[in-house]
Amino acid sequence: GDSVTQMEGPVTLSEEAFLTINCTYTATGYPSLFWYVQYPGEGLQLLLKATKADDKGSNKGFEATYRKETTSFHLEKGSVQVSDSAVYFCALIPSNDYKLSFGAGTTVTVRA
Amino acid sequence: GAVVSQHPSWVICKSGTSVKIECRSLDFQATTMFWYRQFPKQSLMLMATSNEGSKATYEQGVEKDKFLINHASLTLSTLTVTSAHPEDSSFYICSASKGSTEAFFGQGTRLTVV
Repeated sequence: GDSVTQMEGPVTLSEEAFLTINCTYTATGYPSLFWYVQYPGEGLQLLLKATKADDKGSNKGFEATYRKETTSFHLEKGSVQVSDSAVYFCALIPSNDYKLSFGAGTTVTVRA
Repeated sequence: GAVVSQHPSWVICKSGTSVKIECRSLDFQATTMFWYRQFPKQSLMLMATSNEGSKATYEQGVEKDKFLINHASLTLSTLTVTSAHPEDSSFYICSASKGSTEAFFGQGTRLTVV
């Protein structure tokens, strides 16, 4: 079935460092791809999304590009802040379904 | 727009009792609502999908008699954990969809069964 594999954490960074979280997917057709963020004690918030190949989703300084050729949707941010500390989930919705499938989540801690 | 409110945000109950969690879409009509369970430091596990006015569709391995889901209206779905036990302690999250590919999540409910 369709699935998402994302880089295991935890990831610890210093402020202003570059962040990359790898995400690859397995799916038939063209799924929609998402990054969700979960801050401590809170529910999930949509961070960004892309619905077709070569689309780039961006929000709050984060970016991810839908790469069909490598079946990837890696999340990047050029300069992280302490407030970016959270758990990040890569997810997809298959082209023929409506259910979200999540990756395992990557815990990111940014130190001042 | 697209706000989903989940209540309560946390609850502690005694073993053997039942707990109801509400999920409301505040500013849109949700054609479909989803219930997830999240274990510590793990990803979200889809428990069930509910559509307004019909029975919920449960994922494999989820006990439908234990986790009762009611989707009474286009803005409200409830999850009732019946005869709760300590192993049911978890973080439960709902999401609501208005037909597009985007789902909007509630804040989550932390259930602790003592």
